Amino acid sequence: GAVVSQHPSWVICKSGTSVKIECRSLDFQATTMFWYRQFPKQSLMLMATSNEGSKATYEQGVEKDKFLINHASLTLSTLTVTSAHPEDSSFYICSATGGGKNIQYFGAGTRLSVL
Amino acid sequence: GNSVTQMEGPVTLSEEAFLTINCTYTATGYPSLFWYVQYPGEGLQLLLKATKADDKGSNKGFEATYRKETTSFHLEKGSVQVSDSAVYFCALPTQGGSEKLVFGKGTKLTVNP
Repeated sequence: GAVVSQHPSWVICKSGTSVKIECRSLDFQATTMFWYRQFPKQSLMLMATSNEGSKATYEQGVEKDKFLINHASLTLSTLTVTSAHPEDSSFYICSATGGGKNIQYFGAGTRLSVL
Repeated sequence: GNSVTQMEGPVTLSEEAFLTINCTYTATGYPSLFWYVQYPGEGLQLLLKATKADDKGSNKGFEATYRKETTSFHLEKGSVQVSDSAVYFCALPTQGGSEKLVFGKGTKLTVNP
C-alpha cells in the first residue's frame, strides 16, 4: 500500500524557535498533501492543502505566516512552525493523495512540544 | 458542505464482544465513505471504505455498509480483540469531487482481556 513518512515523530523546542516537519510519499507521487492539527482527544483539524509547485491553501483561521507550507516536489511537503509558542504544542499529521486514487494516506504524526 | 456525526464514546468492551460504532452523514449526492483508525501515538490508517450505496467495506474483521436510506455507515466487528483498542474516525469528502475530508469526532475503543 501507499506509504507516507513523516519526520520527526517527536520534537521539543524552545519558545521563539522554528520547527520544520517533513512529509514524504515513499512509493507514489503525491499531487496533493494535507496538513492537520489534532488536539488531545479531539478530531483532526485541517490546516491547509498543498499542491506541488503552487502555494498552499489555508483553512479559515490558520495563520499562513505562522505555519509555512512548502510542497516543492511530488514526494515532499514541509510544514514550518515559525516562532513557536507553547500554544502551538500539538500533534501535527500530514496526509497525501495521488496515483489516481482519491484516498488520503496518513503519516504517523509529529508531536510538537514547545517549552 | 458535507458533515458527519459519529458516536463519541468512549466504548469499553471485553475481548470477543460485538462492536458497533454509529456514523451518520449529511451529503449532497453519494460520496465515498471512509473509516480510519488511529492507534495510540500514531497517525491515521485507512481501515475500510465504500464508494457507492449498498457497498460493504471490510478489513481485518471490520465491516461497514453504505446505507443511503438511513445515511449511515456504521462500523461493526463481530469479535473484538485487545489489539483493536484505538480511536476510530468516520469520514467523507467535504463536498462532491473534493479531496478534502471531514472527520467525525472519533470514538475511542478500549478492549479489555
